[in-house]
Amino acid sequence: NAGVTQTPKFQVLKTGQSMTLQCAQDMNHNSMYWYRQDPGMGLRLIYYSASEGTTDKGEVPNGYNVSRLNKREFSLRLESAAPSQTSVYFCASSEGAIGTEAFFGQGTRLTVV
Amino acid sequence: AQSVTQLDSQVPVFEEAPVELRCNYSSSVSVYLFWYVQYPNQGLQLLLKYLSGSTLVKGINGFEAEFNKSQTSFHLRKPSVHISDTAEYFCAVSGSNYQLIWGAGTKLIIKP
Repeated sequence: NAGVTQTPKFQVLKTGQSMTLQCAQDMNHNSMYWYRQDPGMGLRLIYYSASEGTTDKGEVPNGYNVSRLNKREFSLRLESAAPSQTSVYFCASSEGAIGTEAFFGQGTRLTVV
Repeated sequence: AQSVTQLDSQVPVFEEAPVELRCNYSSSVSVYLFWYVQYPNQGLQLLLKYLSGSTLVKGINGFEAEFNKSQTSFHLRKPSVHISDTAEYFCAVSGSNYQLIWGAGTKLIIKP
């Protein structure tokens, strides 16, 4: 099983450019998440999708948009990248029930110059 | 509101020595507790979780954790670490909904 697959693995953007991070899971999970990871700050939730057709803001949604394309896919879009968005981005999925674990992708390392 | 505190940003320890990584949480409701490990340049993977029952939980790679409700702690332990345990370890809690609240992480540094 591939689990959670993110693309791309690395990306360099210029300030003001846009891009979409792709995420797909093959575990038939209901819930999907986008996190950013910055040194010393743990994981911060950007957006999540509790089920197909729904999306909600997390802790740090400003500057991002998401699309739950279908049950498998959940994309994250940066419309106008800023240096503050330099980070490692992780997609995760879970069954969505209380107490269930999250499964993570390998991450996308994004640098905005 | 729920929160998670990992008391040490990094823990250096000699190979084959025991280690404890500390995690405290705050929550007014029943909690479910998790420890995840992140090896260099990889995503996170589950080490162990506490949902209910025995307060001592065993996980992968010889790790275990003890849930202490009175001290609101969920410390991670291993009796003898190996160089391959070099990683960052994250404690997380979920409570009234399915979302996970994360600690800031503890880097385990193994000294030869």
